[in-house]
Amino acid sequence: QVQLVESGGGLVKPGGSLRLSCAASGFTFSDYYMSWIRQAPGKGLEWVSYISSSGSTIYYADSVKGRFTISRDNAKNSLYLQMNSLRAEDTAVYYCARDVSSSWFCDYWGQGTLVTVSS
Amino acid sequence: SYVLTQPPSVSVAPGQTARITCGGNNIGSKSVHWYQQKPGQAPVLVVYDDSDRPSGIPERFSGSNSGNTATLTISRVEAGDEADYYCQVWDSSSDHPRVFGTGTKVTVL
Repeated sequence: QVQLVESGGGLVKPGGSLRLSCAASGFTFSDYYMSWIRQAPGKGLEWVSYISSSGSTIYYADSVKGRFTISRDNAKNSLYLQMNSLRAEDTAVYYCARDVSSSWFCDYWGQGTLVTVSS
Repeated sequence: SYVLTQPPSVSVAPGQTARITCGGNNIGSKSVHWYQQKPGQAPVLVVYDDSDRPSGIPERFSGSNSGNTATLTISRVEAGDEADYYCQVWDSSSDHPRVFGTGTKVTVL
């Protein structure tokens, strides 16, 4: 069965960095686009970034462009999100999700990892 | 950028029908997807491509899309359907193509 397991969240000071990981299993990881989507406490869903199956196509939301970097290692079945220059408004649960690129929806989501940016 | 508007809340009695709307400019020309999120849990896809259901999703969940409004309908509502629901589209004309709706809290009375 498809499993996505995020890790790497935690408490970080403003201006700090954090690297999130997502371990995928149960499907051919290299065949799928993948996304990071976040949810601030008590708020709605916000798409953060996505990456194509080969890693050649990448998009970012304006709110994170220039600060976050998405990447993947298909040999390790893993997705990453490097987050630099973190701000209080980046505080959220971060989900990794598998994309269905024919219609651009997410059919499987991880359980999420909480990132808290606070001094 | 493209905006999707949902009512903040919908209340429904058990056994009745809940309808959750998702408004957007000419949304009928796009494929709409719906997610259910229960407290403390990750979102779950319940409808994709306007009206298709993933395996394991009850037939009570259905979707439609026309004009400027897409609708998720939950028939014979159960207590376990209480959750937040989000619509989502892909706006190919935008620099930020993946758009989520504002979310609707469904309360089962």
